[in-house]
Amino acid sequence: EAGVAQSPRYKIIEKRQSVAFWCNPISGHATLYWYQQILGQGPKLLIQFQNNGVVDDSQLPKDRFSAERLKGVDSTLKIQPAKLEDSAVYLCASTRGLTNGGPLGGELFFGEGSRLTVL
Amino acid sequence: AQSVTQLGSHVSVSEGALVLLRCNYSSSVPPYLFWYVQYPNQGLQLLLKYTSAATLVKGINGFEAEFKKSETSFHLTKPSAHMSDAAEYFCAVSEEDGAQKLVFGQGTRLTINP
Repeated sequence: EAGVAQSPRYKIIEKRQSVAFWCNPISGHATLYWYQQILGQGPKLLIQFQNNGVVDDSQLPKDRFSAERLKGVDSTLKIQPAKLEDSAVYLCASTRGLTNGGPLGGELFFGEGSRLTVL
Repeated sequence: AQSVTQLGSHVSVSEGALVLLRCNYSSSVPPYLFWYVQYPNQGLQLLLKYTSAATLVKGINGFEAEFKKSETSFHLTKPSAHMSDAAEYFCAVSEEDGAQKLVFGQGTRLTINP
């Protein structure tokens, strides 16, 4: 089973430029998440999708960040314009659905992340 | 709102020694607790999860964690460290099971000395 795919792995841009990250979740996984991981910190949830609908985007800085999952599969996270403090690893994760019982039920599967450096 | 505190951003142990990574949580309801591991340049991988079925939870790679409600703790242990255990470890809490709205701690980097 293929894992969560993300691209690009690395991106360097100057402040005020724009950038987009792409995520392809595991096949059949209805729920998709974007996390921001700043160096030295734990991941912070930015947005959660269930199929193509947004479940939670309360921590997404909507003045500069946007995300979509138009067909309920792939997702794109965009930052425009970027700030220095946006330098981080952006992690995509997926899981089968909102209800998952069992010892490892609801396990999130993470991609390798996209590392953004804003100069 | 729930939160997680991991005591010690960096832990170093000798190969074969006991590994103890500390995690304390805050939650207004009975929590779901998780430990994730992150190897260099890789995504996070679930080690184990506490769901209230048993206070001692066994995970992959010989790790286990014990839920102690009175201490609001969920410390991660492994009896004998292996070089391959060197990684970053994250404790996380959720107040919802299936929805998986995880709040992560800041992480503990584990170094294994030969």
